[in-house]
Amino acid sequence: DTAVSQTPKYLVTQMGNDKSIKCEQNLGHDTMYWYKQDSKKFLKIMFSYNNKELIINETVPNRFSPKSPDKAHLNLHINSLELGDSAVYFCASSHPGTGELFFGEGSRLTVL
Amino acid sequence: LAKTTQPISMDSYEGQEVNITCSHNNIATNDYITWYQQFPSQGPRFIIQGYKTKVTNEVASLFIPADRKSSTLSLPRVSLSDTAVYYCLVGDPYTGTASKLTFGTGTRLQVTL
Repeated sequence: DTAVSQTPKYLVTQMGNDKSIKCEQNLGHDTMYWYKQDSKKFLKIMFSYNNKELIINETVPNRFSPKSPDKAHLNLHINSLELGDSAVYFCASSHPGTGELFFGEGSRLTVL
Repeated sequence: LAKTTQPISMDSYEGQEVNITCSHNNIATNDYITWYQQFPSQGPRFIIQGYKTKVTNEVASLFIPADRKSSTLSLPRVSLSDTAVYYCLVGDPYTGTASKLTFGTGTRLQVTL
């Protein structure tokens, strides 16, 4: 059983399109995150949700809209995609006691 | 948030012990030090976490001096499969600042025969 799963794994699209990435965790964690890893491999936090409520938004353009229908799911919707949005997006959840982060396999987004 | 500094890259031969040091001069009293490993095309994976002195698990050891301004991840007898990027993070996992853990540049470890 995959602890944190995200789909799709690869996404190729044109500039200006809208796309979504889905994430689900079966660990029972209350807190979930979206991270962006760019071509230089810097891993930056974008959003954090705790029990379906947004607690962190790290100055991400409002074209990015996370949605958490329940605490096991955190989806990422991106409007009007730009070339600079090309990156690998990682979903994660954290253990409430240790703060240990559990990451998904990543979703590689390529904007042409 | 404590900023971390690590070497960009390291090389090692298989079977050697590898020590990766991380500097975190402005670590806060409640901050813990956590290390993650990332293989290509995968998400980072937790290796070890500690607050002070020494922590050891089946994968690695973490050495933290008394002033806690640095820490050293020690990988005993590395193998080719340990080739990865290693990230050092600091933050308080108990009050929510773990949510804002900042991943630095990481250290790219290359292990060869």
